[in-house]
Amino acid sequence: EPEVTQTPSHQVTQMGQEVILRCVPISNHLYFYWYRQILGQKVEFLVSFYNNEISEKSEIFDDQFSVERPDGSNFTLKIRSTKLEDSAMYFCAIQGDWNTEAFFGQGTRLTVV
Amino acid sequence: KNEVEQSPQNLTAQEGEFITINCSYSVGISALHWLQQHPGGGIVSLFMLSSGKKKHGRLIATINIQEKHSSLHITASHPRDSAVYICAVGSGGGADGLTFGKGTHLIIQP
Repeated sequence: EPEVTQTPSHQVTQMGQEVILRCVPISNHLYFYWYRQILGQKVEFLVSFYNNEISEKSEIFDDQFSVERPDGSNFTLKIRSTKLEDSAMYFCAIQGDWNTEAFFGQGTRLTVV
Repeated sequence: KNEVEQSPQNLTAQEGEFITINCSYSVGISALHWLQQHPGGGIVSLFMLSSGKKKHGRLIATINIQEKHSSLHITASHPRDSAVYICAVGSGGGADGLTFGKGTHLIIQP
C-alpha cells in the first residue's frame, strides 16, 4: 500500500477555472510538500508545509496557489485561476522528518485547455 | 541555490551490463535522494544518503560529501530497470524541499 495517495490522477480544466488537488498520507508525517513537473522538464519545488502552516515556498508559488490541511489528514493544493502554463504533473511528497526518506504520490496530471 | 547536475542524460545498455549514473551538486547538503520515475510518471524513492554507501538488491548508491558527488550503480541490469533515475538533494531543516536534477533516461535492451 502506498504511503501517500493523490487524487485525481488526471484532471482536465478550462483556463480560468479553480482546481483542487488532493493528497492523503497513510501515516503520520511531519513534512508535506508539493512539487510540479512540466512535461520534459525537471521536478520543481512549490511549497513545504510543517506544523499546519507553510514553511517555505518557491517563486512559482504565487498568489493563485494555496495549500491546506483542513482535517488533519488530507493535504490540498488549490490553483485559483488556472493558466495554460499550469499544465504539469503535480506531486505530493511526505517525509517523517527533514532527513528521512521522501515518499511521493503517484502524481496528478493537470491539463489546462 | 543548489545546482544539481546528472550524467549521462541518456544511457542505452545491454541486459547484464553494469550501469553507473552520476550526480554532482554545488552547495553542501544534508541528504541526497536517488529516485526512480516510471513511464507513467510516478516517482519511487530508491535511496536516501547522507554519507558512505547503501545497497539494496542490485542497486548501490555512494556519496562523497567532500567532492559533492554521488553515484548510483546497477549491477546485472535488466530491461525492467529501464526508467528515469533522478538525483535530488535536500538542505538542513527540510523547509526548502528537494532540488532535483534533470534525470538520466536509462534504457536496458534485452
